Amino acid sequence: GQSLEQPSEVTAVEGAIVQINCTYQTSGFYGLSWYQQHDGGAPTFLSYNALDGLEETGRFSSFLSRSDSYGYLLLQELQMKDSASYFCAVREGRDDKIIFGKGTRLHILP
Amino acid sequence: DVKVTQSSRYLVKRTGEKVFLECVQDMDHENMFWYRQDPGLGLRLIYFSYDVKMKEKGDIPEGYSVSREKKERFSLILESASTNQTSMYLCASGSVYEQYFGPGTRLTVT
Repeated sequence: GQSLEQPSEVTAVEGAIVQINCTYQTSGFYGLSWYQQHDGGAPTFLSYNALDGLEETGRFSSFLSRSDSYGYLLLQELQMKDSASYFCAVREGRDDKIIFGKGTRLHILP
Repeated sequence: DVKVTQSSRYLVKRTGEKVFLECVQDMDHENMFWYRQDPGLGLRLIYFSYDVKMKEKGDIPEGYSVSREKKERFSLILESASTNQTSMYLCASGSVYEQYFGPGTRLTVT
């Protein structure tokens, strides 16, 4: 069956670095996306990894290891505004839908 | 900027009513998606569409139908609303892996 596992909650300190992990088990795999959602808001796209390695976009980076069926989102220089839920999502096929994980709630302490 | 709009932010309906949720995007995207989001369950795909008059079932299509008569508009229909359909409904458009979400409609069925 299909499954995406990510921690339900993570707590970190302002200014620090935090890593949110995502492991997946799906019938096919074309890539891993990450989305951010603030309370009361809509999810917004952060990144997409189709190949192994690290992709960096400002303070956020995303990593993928296809052989380990694993990826992570790395947030650096944490700010209070980064308090949100983060979802990983797997693209199973070329034109197929994506499957979302249940989300990780990130709490940031001052 | 991509804009995805949904017809209502909040909606209250009675059990058995027929409910229409409308979604409009302004970026000429071929793909459009309907999700529902419930606490602890993440985003679950109800239906998606790759083109006008085309629709595909997602993971939880039971109790729902959709309509895509124009490229920019994707409607979700609850034929006979039930209390277990109380949820946040999110519409999205874009590529499979990079989706742009509307603000959501919080539907309560009483």
